[in-house]
Amino acid sequence: RKEVEQDPGPFNVPEGATVAFNCTYSNSASQSFFWYRQDCRKEPKLLMSVYSSGNEDGRFTAQLNRASQYISLLIRDSKLSDSATYLCAAPTQGGKLIFGQGTELSVKP
Amino acid sequence: DTAVSQTPKYLVTQMGNDKSIKCEQNLGHDTMYWYKQDSKKFLKIMFSYNNKELIINETVPNRFSPKSPDKAHLNLHINSLELGDSAVYFCASSVLLAGAKETQYFGPGTRLLVL
Repeated sequence: RKEVEQDPGPFNVPEGATVAFNCTYSNSASQSFFWYRQDCRKEPKLLMSVYSSGNEDGRFTAQLNRASQYISLLIRDSKLSDSATYLCAAPTQGGKLIFGQGTELSVKP
Repeated sequence: DTAVSQTPKYLVTQMGNDKSIKCEQNLGHDTMYWYKQDSKKFLKIMFSYNNKELIINETVPNRFSPKSPDKAHLNLHINSLELGDSAVYFCASSVLLAGAKETQYFGPGTRLLVL
């Protein structure tokens, strides 16, 4: 099992749609998780951190399921500007941050 | 004002050359990293330094040598560049928050193309 694995993309959705990405992790001792957004030819930028059961920020909700070892990112009312690649990240037992392969989202008019 | 900055932004060079990439952060963070993102978009950690000391050294060819003159700077020197070194190299920094809640901030990346 990969240390961090994400839903394969791309996700193509219309504006206004709700879309959800999942990310599974293998280190059951991980305490913190992160969703990053990466625009084309840009650096990853932190979108949300998840430390307990979940976190909400406007249209974005991140949830953590420790029993099944996955985190999810829900985007409501998708905007064209949400088009990007979304990376999840989780720390390993050695303390380094492992990133998933990313899920590409394309929001169409 | 960029929190984590890298130079150069683009680097095009011939195989066999030696090149360096520089990274600086003004966030006061203790830990800095080098990541490599290949054409398939996988973001993989290469090195991590904490207060100028190497703490993570992934399976990276020894042609890659990081150097941290102080905790605000982490440079990456690459000897004898190969075609497979072509990628985007990101520097990042972080601070360990209470409860091991560490957030990393990335620089804009250096796009290296080896011809």
